[in-house]
Parts: sequence; structure tokens; C-alpha cells
Amino acid sequence: EPEVTQTPSHQVTQMGQEVILRCVPISNHLYFYWYRQILGQKVEFLVSFYNNEISEKSEIFDDQFSVERPDGSNFTLKIRSTKLEDSAMYFCASGPDYSSPLHFGNGTRLTVT
Amino acid sequence: RKEVEQDPGPFNVPEGATVAFNCTYSNSASQSFFWYRQDCRKEPKLLMSVYSSGNEDGRFTAQLNRASQYISLLIRDSKLSDSATYLCVVNMGGGSQGNLIFGKGTKLSVKP
Repeated sequence: EPEVTQTPSHQVTQMGQEVILRCVPISNHLYFYWYRQILGQKVEFLVSFYNNEISEKSEIFDDQFSVERPDGSNFTLKIRSTKLEDSAMYFCASGPDYSSPLHFGNGTRLTVT
Repeated sequence: RKEVEQDPGPFNVPEGATVAFNCTYSNSASQSFFWYRQDCRKEPKLLMSVYSSGNEDGRFTAQLNRASQYISLLIRDSKLSDSATYLCVVNMGGGSQGNLIFGKGTKLSVKP
């Protein structure tokens, strides 16, 4: 079964540094998403991406965040200047259309020190 | 505010028991409803979509009551491998079909 893959599985960075989290969505999917989950809390929507542009973003997704699909396979989340409160598990997800259930990657655990 | 509320549990049940989880959602514009399961420190995995007429998948039965904005999940003959956190998930509605709102989850622990 095709999978969404994310790298790295764990990223440790210092406060103020930039990080890029990488995702390879399922190949025939058209809708891409980033979610995050702070330890012990619920999964939260960050951003959705379709047709090479952001279709929706949450209030969490401020100017420090950006997404990009640099080629036909990768989908990245960049945090420009990390804060301690950015420490969380970040999940990439993709879907073939806007109404089908999403397939989640196995996540990147980001630790900001 | 668009929210999904679940009983956090934990539900501790013996193998073979039947257990039911409930969920309420606040956004009446939501159109898609799901149950996901999440194992500790892993990604959410789709368990089943929830349809208005109710649907069943093996030991799992999901129900939706749009009028009450209420979703349920019933697990029959629970197995040790059912131990996980069960997430009630609805879409945001209003055209944002793929953007999902997650509940905090209900933790299930099935004991031998």
C-alpha cells in the first residue's frame, strides 16, 4: 500500500534556527496538508495546499511558517525561526481529492532547545 | 469555535468486551466524519469513515446523528490489539472539505 513518508523522524534544533521538514506524499494525490501534535494534546491543522498554492491555513500558521512543493514529489514545511513552543510532532498528510480520508505520514518529532 | 469533544477515558476493558465511544461536534456545516486510531507516538490511522445511515466494518460500528451533532463508535469482542487512542475527526465544513478538526481522543486499554 502506498505511504506518505516523512524525513527526518526526529529533528533537534536550537531556538531561532530554521528547520525544514520534508514529506513525500502518495504519488497520485493532489491535496497536501501539515498538522502538528504537541505532546499530550490533540492533532491540529496547520495548512492545506492544492494546485501549488495554499488553500487554507490556521491561526497557528503565522509568518514564521511556509510550505513549498519544490518538485513533483516533495512537500516541505519550513519554520524560519523556531521557538520552544514549536516543539511537537509534525504530520504530513495527503488525499486524492478534498473529500476522501487523509493518509498521514509517520511524523517528524521536532525538539527545539 | 469549531470543536470536537470526546470523553478522554481511559476505558479499561477485558478482552471480549463491547465498548462504545461518543463524540460531539460543534460545526453544523461539517460534512465528513471519521474515526482514526492513534497508537502511542505514532501517526493517526484511518479506522473508518462515518456515514449518515451508519456503517459497520467487522467488529466496528459507527453511527452519526446530524440533528444532535453526535458520532459514536462501537467495538465488539475487543482484542488486545485494539488498545489505542481513538480520535473522532470531522472536517471543518464551509468548503474546507479536507481540513480536519480532531478530538483529543479516547484512550482504550484492553486487558487479558
